[in-house]
Amino acid sequence: DQQVKQNSPSLSVQEGRISILNCDYTNSMFDYFLWYKKYPAEGPTFLISISSIKDKNEDGRFTVFLNKSAKHLSLHIVPSQPGDSAVYFCAASAYTGANSKLTFGKGITLSVRP
Amino acid sequence: NAGVTQTPKFQVLKTGQSMTLQCAQDMNHEYMSWYRQDPGMGLRLIHYSVGAGITDQGEVPNGYNVSRSTTEDFPLRLLSAAPSQTSVYFCASSRAGSTDTQYFGPGTRLTVL
Repeated sequence: DQQVKQNSPSLSVQEGRISILNCDYTNSMFDYFLWYKKYPAEGPTFLISISSIKDKNEDGRFTVFLNKSAKHLSLHIVPSQPGDSAVYFCAASAYTGANSKLTFGKGITLSVRP
Repeated sequence: NAGVTQTPKFQVLKTGQSMTLQCAQDMNHEYMSWYRQDPGMGLRLIHYSVGAGITDQGEVPNGYNVSRSTTEDFPLRLLSAAPSQTSVYFCASSRAGSTDTQYFGPGTRLTVL
């Protein structure tokens, strides 16, 4: 049973426009969420995170929105740049701290067209 | 800082062979973890460690062993390789837990024939 779902496997957007990457989760115990970005032949890199006590977190061009009632979060990238083309993973944890464990989604491949 | 290093980058094994995937970090991080990534799937946690001498199982631990004798190193051992273990393996480290920013290594691509 997939607890973190990224239902759209790919997304293509024009450079300069907004990219919206969606993520849904089923486990109501999840209370911390992260986004990681991955380029081919490299390890993932941390992008942004959000705690369940917030509904929005912003870092430069990247904003994550959390809708707890809908068990849905989204990553907005504005403006999108060709260097943003990568696979984006949504991840969730039921708690923070030393023994926290992440559950990852399958990832979304973002292509930003020049 | 080299960050998180993994060796080897590529490995081909025959069914039944054993091997150790090496992982080292130079950031003095307490938390280290191993994930595997299969095509069309996200990363799945194999084992993790919250400090030297302490390890615990993740989501898919069967067929793998780990130990943590030093803060820097966290090797992953495949005792008897199976084709189902064909995957890309990532090691990661963070100051304190997986919800802290994890730094990933470049990965090891393993094929078991």
